Amino acid sequence: EADIYQTPRYLVIGTGKKITLECSQTMGHDKMYWYQQDPGMELHLIHYSYGVNSTEKGDLSSESTVSRIRTEHFPLTLESARPSHTSQYLCASSPGTSGPQDTQYFGPGTRLTVL
Amino acid sequence: AQTVTQSQPEMSVQEAETVTLSCTYDTSENNYYLFWYKQPPSRQMILVIRQEAYKQQNATENRFSVNFQKAAKSFSLKISDSQLGDTAMYFCAFRGNFNKFYFGSGTKLNVKP
Repeated sequence: EADIYQTPRYLVIGTGKKITLECSQTMGHDKMYWYQQDPGMELHLIHYSYGVNSTEKGDLSSESTVSRIRTEHFPLTLESARPSHTSQYLCASSPGTSGPQDTQYFGPGTRLTVL
Repeated sequence: AQTVTQSQPEMSVQEAETVTLSCTYDTSENNYYLFWYKQPPSRQMILVIRQEAYKQQNATENRFSVNFQKAAKSFSLKISDSQLGDTAMYFCAFRGNFNKFYFGSGTKLNVKP
């Protein structure tokens, strides 16, 4: 399995709280991604980064923000959680090469429930 | 824009039999990569197989093989000798020149004993 980690794995929190979902990878990958996925449904890209100090919004609009201060770390923050944010959040990374080796490796996910 | 379509939301197969999952995509790019990912229940998403569009030969990984039809923009996954551990959501994905990945909506495969 790939060396990409997410914490916490499960989080139940009240409305209005600030939360940060952690994602770290030890593979030295340049590219990192955040997806939102409802159970049994498709993945929606919400943020991505091509390297340190590079972040972009994905195809699905999200109230979350991300930062990329270190190559290995790509945290996602929600300033004020709402029930509509309840979902699974998947972090992924890829080497950033142009060839077939540029495959995404996924973390185990964080299942977020906002009450 | 790139789109990936999986028209089978759910499928079932008996253990030891063969099943084929469908995937079609739309793109104007000529050089790209296609992937099948597997997401077991409550477990991590992992890569099953990948195909380079410029290669005519279909990719094979043990019991998993693809039928890549570039002109038809079709990329199906065949699982031979299905095992209980193959039960999972399967996602087809596309990566083009801009290095963004696009995923289909997934097919839930249930392997029955």
